[in-house]
Amino acid sequence: AQSVTQLGSHVSVSEGALVLLRCNYSSSVPPYLFWYVQYPNQGLQLLLKYTSAATLVKGINGFEAEFKKSETSFHLTKPSAHMSDAAEYFCAVSDRISNFGNEKLTFGTGTRLTIIP
Amino acid sequence: SQTIHQWPATLVQPVGSPLSLECTVEGTSNPNLYWYRQAAGRGLQLLFYSVGIGQISSEVPQNLSASRPQDRQFILSSKKLLLSDSGFYLCAWSRLAGYNEQFFGPGTRLTVL
Repeated sequence: AQSVTQLGSHVSVSEGALVLLRCNYSSSVPPYLFWYVQYPNQGLQLLLKYTSAATLVKGINGFEAEFKKSETSFHLTKPSAHMSDAAEYFCAVSDRISNFGNEKLTFGTGTRLTIIP
Repeated sequence: SQTIHQWPATLVQPVGSPLSLECTVEGTSNPNLYWYRQAAGRGLQLLFYSVGIGQISSEVPQNLSASRPQDRQFILSSKKLLLSDSGFYLCAWSRLAGYNEQFFGPGTRLTVL
């Protein structure tokens, strides 16, 4: 069974500082990994995805994430936080085997990012 | 391009009343479809998913049901709402074959009074 752990339900950073949101996964097979962002009262928007092409994945809004198999991690980073980055962020994992009954994502519990002016 | 619609955007219903939330996807065929719920301050809970017309898998036993009458239409229903049904309901779709990434609709905010 696959699982995702997001360390820190709330993270606060100053505007212009580094953003680091942590995600560790557990999967019995090589995974696909995703980061989503959710702004208040909106649906989830895909930030980036890891599908094995490259371990460092670049996404929208200046975010990137690095897949580290040895650490079973897929942490999300952004060099310089902006006020508009304030939102909730979800990490998700999916097994690569896609057949009937295995098309689901397993989501972490989310990290609320606050940006301090 | 693909788009996903949900309606209504907000809904306030009394306890014991029925519920029908609708989700439609445009620009793709044979999508996998999903219903999630977010209770206040909590993460995503998968309620139902469907890999084809009439095929519904329930993740959590509850007061809700889902149906897929057409390829790109997914409906969430209840005969009698409970207070605990309040939350933010999200519909999502994914490609039949791909990396399993899901694309989410704008959501429906349901308040049961």
